[in-house]
Amino acid sequence: DAGITQSPRHKVTETGTPVTLRCHQTENHRYMYWYRQDPGHGLRLIHYSYGVKDTDKGEVSDGYSVSRSKTEDFLLTLESATSSQTSVYFCAIKDSTDTQYFGPGTRLTVL
Amino acid sequence: GENVEQHPSTLSVQEGDSAVIKCTYSDSASNYFPWYKQELGKRPQLIIDIRSNVGEKKDQRIAVTLNKTAKHFSLHITETQPEDSAVYFCAASGGRDDKIIFGKGTRLHILP
Repeated sequence: DAGITQSPRHKVTETGTPVTLRCHQTENHRYMYWYRQDPGHGLRLIHYSYGVKDTDKGEVSDGYSVSRSKTEDFLLTLESATSSQTSVYFCAIKDSTDTQYFGPGTRLTVL
Repeated sequence: GENVEQHPSTLSVQEGDSAVIKCTYSDSASNYFPWYKQELGKRPQLIIDIRSNVGEKKDQRIAVTLNKTAKHFSLHITETQPEDSAVYFCAASGGRDDKIIFGKGTRLHILP
């Protein structure tokens, strides 16, 4: 699975609290992505990174920020979580052949 | 930016029959089109992909076709089996940015 891990795997939090999700990869891939998955909406791109400190917005970036200070780690932060951000979050990498591999996912519930 | 439409959203086929899922994309510069299968509670897994210099690609019971002029591509599964039941996603990338954009998915049910 391309050496991708996500933490935490499950989280329950309250509205208004900050939340940070971590994606870690071991194979030095340049590109990393954050998606959210909701019923009826498929996989929607939140933010992506094309190198250390290089990030860009996706389709649904409002309410989310990201940081990439090391090649291996891509962090997704919800500054003030809302119930609409309850979702399953997947991290992914893209390798040199453009193939994308996904992490195991993080299930986030915002009460 | 790129937009990917996928149809149908749900598909039921009899075991042994064929299933076809269709996608269209908007960015004519896109050149890589993967298909993913996602089983319940698991991560999406790549099952087949096609690049813009190829019109068709086959891997055992799975095939993908691409029509660049019409900007659509399709997944074909022949001789369907119970283990083919899952959600399938198409995607497009390689266009004017580094984004990989997915369709909304097709839930495939294989009926006994």
